[in-house]
Amino acid sequence: NAGVTQTPKFQVLKTGQSMTLQCAQDMNHNSMYWYRQDPGMGLRLIYYSASEGTTDKGEVPNGYNVSRLNKREFSLRLESAAPSQTSVYFCASSWDRGSNNSPLHFGNGTRLTVT
Amino acid sequence: AQTVTQSQPEMSVQEAETVTLSCTYDTSESNYYLFWYKQPPSRQMILVIRQEAYKQQNATENRFSVNFQKAAKSFSLKISDSQLGDTAMYFCAFKNVRGGSEKLVFGKGMKLTVNP
Repeated sequence: NAGVTQTPKFQVLKTGQSMTLQCAQDMNHNSMYWYRQDPGMGLRLIYYSASEGTTDKGEVPNGYNVSRLNKREFSLRLESAAPSQTSVYFCASSWDRGSNNSPLHFGNGTRLTVT
Repeated sequence: AQTVTQSQPEMSVQEAETVTLSCTYDTSESNYYLFWYKQPPSRQMILVIRQEAYKQQNATENRFSVNFQKAAKSFSLKISDSQLGDTAMYFCAFKNVRGGSEKLVFGKGMKLTVNP
Protein backbone atom coordinates (compact mmCIF):
# COMPACT_ATOMS: atom_id res chain seq x y z
CA ASN A 1 0.00 0.00 0.00
CA ALA A 2 1.97 3.01 -1.29
CA GLY A 3 -0.18 5.82 0.19
CA VAL A 4 1.10 9.19 -1.02
CA THR A 5 4.11 9.11 -3.35
CA GLN A 6 6.15 12.19 -4.13
CA THR A 7 8.91 12.57 -6.67
CA PRO A 8 11.70 13.56 -6.64
CA LYS A 9 13.03 13.26 -3.09
CA PHE A 10 15.77 15.81 -3.64
CA GLN A 11 16.31 18.51 -6.24
CA VAL A 12 18.77 21.33 -6.78
CA LEU A 13 17.80 24.12 -9.15
CA LYS A 14 19.44 27.29 -10.33
CA THR A 15 17.58 30.55 -10.05
CA GLY A 16 15.19 30.91 -12.97
CA GLN A 17 14.90 27.21 -13.76
CA SER A 18 11.55 25.49 -13.75
CA MET A 19 10.44 22.13 -12.44
CA THR A 20 7.39 20.12 -11.51
CA LEU A 21 6.94 18.16 -8.32
CA GLN A 22 4.81 15.10 -8.80
CA CYS A 23 2.40 13.61 -6.30
CA ALA A 24 0.12 10.59 -6.53
CA GLN A 25 -2.11 8.85 -4.00
CA ASP A 26 -3.70 5.44 -4.22
CA MET A 27 -6.23 5.79 -1.38
CA ASN A 28 -9.07 7.18 -3.50
CA HIS A 29 -8.93 10.41 -1.55
CA ASN A 30 -10.86 13.43 -2.75
CA SER A 31 -8.70 16.24 -1.42
CA MET A 32 -5.02 16.86 -2.07
CA TYR A 33 -2.65 19.51 -0.77
CA TRP A 34 0.79 21.01 -1.22
CA TYR A 35 2.60 22.39 1.82
CA ARG A 36 6.04 23.83 2.27
CA GLN A 37 8.03 23.47 5.48
CA ASP A 38 10.63 26.00 6.54
CA PRO A 39 12.58 26.09 9.82
CA GLY A 40 10.60 27.88 12.51
CA MET A 41 7.60 28.33 10.21
CA GLY A 42 5.81 25.02 10.47
CA LEU A 43 3.88 23.84 7.43
CA ARG A 44 2.27 26.44 5.23
CA LEU A 45 -0.33 25.61 2.63
CA ILE A 46 0.57 26.51 -0.94
CA TYR A 47 -2.39 25.16 -2.88
CA TYR A 48 -5.07 22.57 -2.38
CA SER A 49 -7.62 20.70 -4.40
CA ALA A 50 -10.86 19.77 -2.67
CA SER A 51 -11.91 17.52 -5.53
CA GLU A 52 -10.90 16.51 -9.01
CA GLY A 53 -11.06 19.50 -11.31
CA THR A 54 -10.81 22.17 -8.62
CA THR A 55 -7.85 23.99 -7.11
CA ASP A 56 -7.59 26.83 -4.61
CA LYS A 57 -4.86 29.04 -3.26
CA GLY A 58 -3.55 28.53 0.21
CA GLU A 59 -1.48 30.79 2.40
CA VAL A 60 1.62 31.12 0.19
CA PRO A 61 0.68 30.53 -3.49
CA ASN A 62 2.91 33.12 -5.17
CA GLY A 63 5.46 31.62 -7.53
CA TYR A 64 3.64 28.29 -7.83
CA ASN A 65 1.07 26.66 -10.04
CA VAL A 66 -0.76 23.38 -9.59
CA SER A 67 -2.62 20.86 -11.68
CA ARG A 68 -5.08 18.27 -10.45
CA LEU A 69 -4.55 15.92 -13.35
CA ASN A 70 -7.06 13.34 -12.13
CA LYS A 71 -8.25 12.05 -8.80
CA ARG A 72 -4.91 10.42 -8.06
CA GLU A 73 -2.42 13.07 -9.13
CA PHE A 74 -1.70 16.62 -8.01
CA SER A 75 1.42 18.34 -9.32
CA LEU A 76 3.17 21.51 -8.19
CA ARG A 77 5.10 23.62 -10.69
CA LEU A 78 7.71 26.26 -10.12
CA GLU A 79 7.93 28.30 -13.32
CA SER A 80 10.98 30.37 -12.38
CA ALA A 81 12.62 29.16 -9.22
CA ALA A 82 13.92 31.65 -6.66
CA PRO A 83 16.17 31.11 -3.62
CA SER A 84 13.18 31.95 -1.39
CA GLN A 85 11.58 28.73 -2.64
CA THR A 86 14.30 26.64 -1.04
CA SER A 87 12.24 24.44 1.26
CA VAL A 88 10.91 20.98 1.95
CA TYR A 89 7.69 20.35 0.06
CA PHE A 90 5.02 17.95 1.22
CA CYS A 91 2.10 16.58 -0.68
CA ALA A 92 -0.85 15.29 1.32
CA SER A 93 -4.29 13.84 0.73
CA SER A 94 -7.45 13.24 2.73
CA TRP A 95 -10.90 11.72 2.32
CA ASP A 96 -12.90 14.81 3.33
CA ARG A 97 -16.34 13.77 2.24
CA GLY A 98 -18.91 13.51 5.01
CA SER A 99 -16.20 13.17 7.62
CA ASN A 100 -14.25 16.31 8.23
CA ASN A 101 -12.08 14.82 10.90
CA SER A 102 -10.35 12.79 8.25
CA PRO A 103 -6.61 13.26 8.78
CA LEU A 104 -4.06 14.20 6.17
CA HIS A 105 -1.84 11.47 4.82
CA PHE A 106 1.54 12.84 3.84
CA GLY A 107 4.16 11.92 1.30
CA ASN A 108 7.79 11.75 2.37
CA GLY A 109 8.63 15.22 1.15
CA THR A 110 10.89 16.78 -1.47
CA ARG A 111 13.91 18.78 -0.38
CA LEU A 112 14.38 21.55 -2.92
CA THR A 113 17.40 23.84 -2.98
CA VAL A 114 17.51 26.85 -5.28
CA THR A 115 20.93 28.40 -5.74
CA ALA B 1 -8.40 33.45 9.97
CA GLN B 2 -7.51 30.68 12.34
CA THR B 3 -4.10 30.66 13.97
CA VAL B 4 -2.29 27.96 15.91
CA THR B 5 0.41 28.79 18.44
CA GLN B 6 2.99 26.47 19.90
CA SER B 7 4.86 28.63 22.37
CA GLN B 8 7.58 26.16 23.34
CA PRO B 9 10.05 25.73 20.47
CA GLU B 10 11.98 22.95 22.15
CA MET B 11 11.76 20.55 25.11
CA SER B 12 13.70 17.61 26.45
CA VAL B 13 12.63 14.81 28.76
CA GLN B 14 14.16 11.70 30.25
CA GLU B 15 13.08 8.32 29.01
CA ALA B 16 10.04 6.93 30.88
CA GLU B 17 8.98 10.37 32.10
CA THR B 18 5.81 12.22 31.17
CA VAL B 19 5.89 15.39 29.09
CA THR B 20 3.19 17.85 28.02
CA LEU B 21 3.33 19.86 24.80
CA SER B 22 1.22 22.99 24.69
CA CYS B 23 -0.89 24.37 21.85
CA THR B 24 -3.35 27.23 21.70
CA TYR B 25 -5.48 28.33 18.80
CA ASP B 26 -7.67 31.20 17.83
CA THR B 27 -11.00 30.80 16.09
CA SER B 28 -14.50 32.21 16.10
CA GLU B 29 -15.98 28.88 15.05
CA SER B 30 -17.72 26.61 17.53
CA ASN B 31 -17.11 23.34 15.76
CA TYR B 32 -13.77 22.21 14.44
CA TYR B 33 -11.13 19.50 14.64
CA LEU B 34 -7.70 19.48 16.23
CA PHE B 35 -4.76 17.24 15.46
CA TRP B 36 -1.27 16.47 16.68
CA TYR B 37 1.26 15.30 14.10
CA LYS B 38 4.71 13.91 14.74
CA GLN B 39 7.69 14.33 12.40
CA PRO B 40 10.68 12.15 13.30
CA PRO B 41 14.11 12.71 11.73
CA SER B 42 12.96 10.60 8.79
CA ARG B 43 10.85 13.65 7.82
CA GLN B 44 7.64 11.62 7.54
CA MET B 45 4.53 13.30 8.98
CA ILE B 46 2.59 10.92 11.22
CA LEU B 47 -0.81 11.50 12.81
CA VAL B 48 -0.60 11.08 16.58
CA ILE B 49 -4.09 11.95 17.79
CA ARG B 50 -7.19 13.95 16.86
CA GLN B 51 -10.01 15.62 18.75
CA GLU B 52 -13.45 16.81 17.67
CA ALA B 53 -14.40 20.08 19.34
CA TYR B 54 -17.96 18.96 20.01
CA LYS B 55 -16.71 16.03 22.12
CA GLN B 56 -16.06 16.84 25.76
CA GLN B 57 -14.10 13.66 26.36
CA ASN B 58 -10.38 14.00 25.78
CA ALA B 59 -8.95 11.76 23.08
CA THR B 60 -6.41 9.09 24.00
CA GLU B 61 -4.21 6.81 21.88
CA ASN B 62 -2.11 4.45 23.98
CA ARG B 63 0.59 6.61 25.64
CA PHE B 64 -0.72 9.79 24.01
CA SER B 65 -3.59 11.84 25.39
CA VAL B 66 -4.84 15.35 25.04
CA ASN B 67 -6.14 17.96 27.43
CA PHE B 68 -8.72 19.86 25.41
CA GLN B 69 -9.94 23.06 27.04
CA LYS B 70 -12.41 24.56 24.59
CA ALA B 71 -13.13 27.76 26.50
CA ALA B 72 -9.43 28.47 26.84
CA LYS B 73 -8.78 27.35 23.24
CA SER B 74 -6.06 25.07 24.46
CA PHE B 75 -5.11 21.64 23.11
CA SER B 76 -2.12 20.13 24.88
CA LEU B 77 -0.58 16.74 24.18
CA LYS B 78 0.60 14.51 27.02
CA ILE B 79 3.09 11.76 26.30
CA SER B 80 3.37 9.19 29.08
CA ASP B 81 6.28 6.82 29.56
CA SER B 82 8.39 8.66 26.98
CA GLN B 83 10.42 6.51 24.64
CA LEU B 84 13.49 7.30 22.57
CA GLY B 85 11.37 6.88 19.46
CA ASP B 86 9.21 9.82 20.56
CA THR B 87 12.08 12.16 19.67
CA ALA B 88 10.62 14.27 16.88
CA MET B 89 9.08 17.56 15.86
CA TYR B 90 5.46 17.82 16.99
CA PHE B 91 2.93 19.94 15.18
CA CYS B 92 -0.49 21.01 16.39
CA ALA B 93 -3.07 21.59 13.65
CA PHE B 94 -6.58 23.05 13.34
CA LYS B 95 -9.28 22.23 10.82
CA ASN B 96 -12.58 23.99 10.35
CA VAL B 97 -15.74 21.89 10.04
CA ARG B 98 -17.52 24.27 7.73
CA GLY B 99 -17.71 22.94 4.19
CA GLY B 100 -15.19 24.26 1.73
CA SER B 101 -12.54 24.72 4.39
CA GLU B 102 -10.86 21.37 4.31
CA LYS B 103 -7.35 22.70 4.78
CA LEU B 104 -5.36 22.26 7.98
CA VAL B 105 -3.61 25.17 9.67
CA PHE B 106 -0.41 24.13 11.45
CA GLY B 107 1.51 25.59 14.33
CA LYS B 108 5.22 26.23 13.94
CA GLY B 109 6.15 23.02 15.69
CA MET B 110 8.06 21.98 18.76
CA LYS B 111 11.18 19.84 18.92
CA LEU B 112 11.01 17.12 21.57
CA THR B 113 14.12 15.20 22.56
CA VAL B 114 13.85 12.10 24.73
CA ASN B 115 17.11 11.37 26.50
CA PRO B 116 18.22 7.91 27.67
